[in-house]
Amino acid sequence: NAGVTQTPKFQVLKTGQSMTLQCAQDMNHNSMYWYRQDPGMGLRLIYYSASEGTTDKGEVPNGYNVSRLNKREFSLRLESAAPSQTSVYFCASKAALDTYEQYFGPGTRLTVT
Amino acid sequence: TQLLEQSPQFLSIQEGENLTVYCNSSSVFSSLQWYRQEPGEGPVLLVTVVTGGEVKKLKRLTFQFGDARKDSSLHITAAKPGDTGLYLCAGAGGGGADGLTFGKGTHLIIQP
Repeated sequence: NAGVTQTPKFQVLKTGQSMTLQCAQDMNHNSMYWYRQDPGMGLRLIYYSASEGTTDKGEVPNGYNVSRLNKREFSLRLESAAPSQTSVYFCASKAALDTYEQYFGPGTRLTVT
Repeated sequence: TQLLEQSPQFLSIQEGENLTVYCNSSSVFSSLQWYRQEPGEGPVLLVTVVTGGEVKKLKRLTFQFGDARKDSSLHITAAKPGDTGLYLCAGAGGGGADGLTFGKGTHLIIQP
C-alpha cells in the first residue's frame, strides 16, 4: 500500500506557465483534498472532491482548477502560474464524508519565478 | 472564517522536560485532530478526538478535547529528541466547506 502519492516532488515554473499536479490514492477512499502550506499560514484548503464526479471550492480556490479523474486520482491545475502560488502543495484523502481521518501525501514543492 | 489558534508557535526544551501545546478556537468542531509533520514530508495523523472532554493517550503523548469542543491540548511527558517536529491541530465539521481547518502549528525542538 503506497497510501497517497504525488508527482512531481519539486517543480520550478516561470510566471504564466501552466502545470498539473497529480495525486493518487490506493486506499479506496471516496473523498480527496488539495491544500497549500505557506510559512506562517498553516495549511489551507484549495479544492476538494467529496466523491467521484464532484468537486467543490475550499478557502483559497482562485487561480486553480481540479479534476477528479476517477476514484483514485485527483489533479490540481495551475493555468497561468503566479509568484503568489509558490508553495508546498499537499493532497489528502479520507474514507468518506462522514469520517474524520485524512491521510496526506508527501507534497509537491512549487516555485514560480 | 473559522480559526484555530495554536500556542506556542515555537518551543525549544531539554530532553526529559514536559510540555503542553494548546489549540483554541471560538468555533465548535465535530472532531479535532493532531498531526505531526517532519521537514519535507506530509502531515501524519497522531490522534482524533470527537467527544467533548475526551482524553486519549499515545505512549508519552496525552491529547484532550475541551468540554465545549472548541479547544484541545497536547501534553508530552519526558520529551525525547525524536519528538522534534511541527505539530498541527486541525478541526473538522465546523461548517462550510468539507476539509480541515488547520492551526499554524507549533515547531517543537527537543535538545539532547
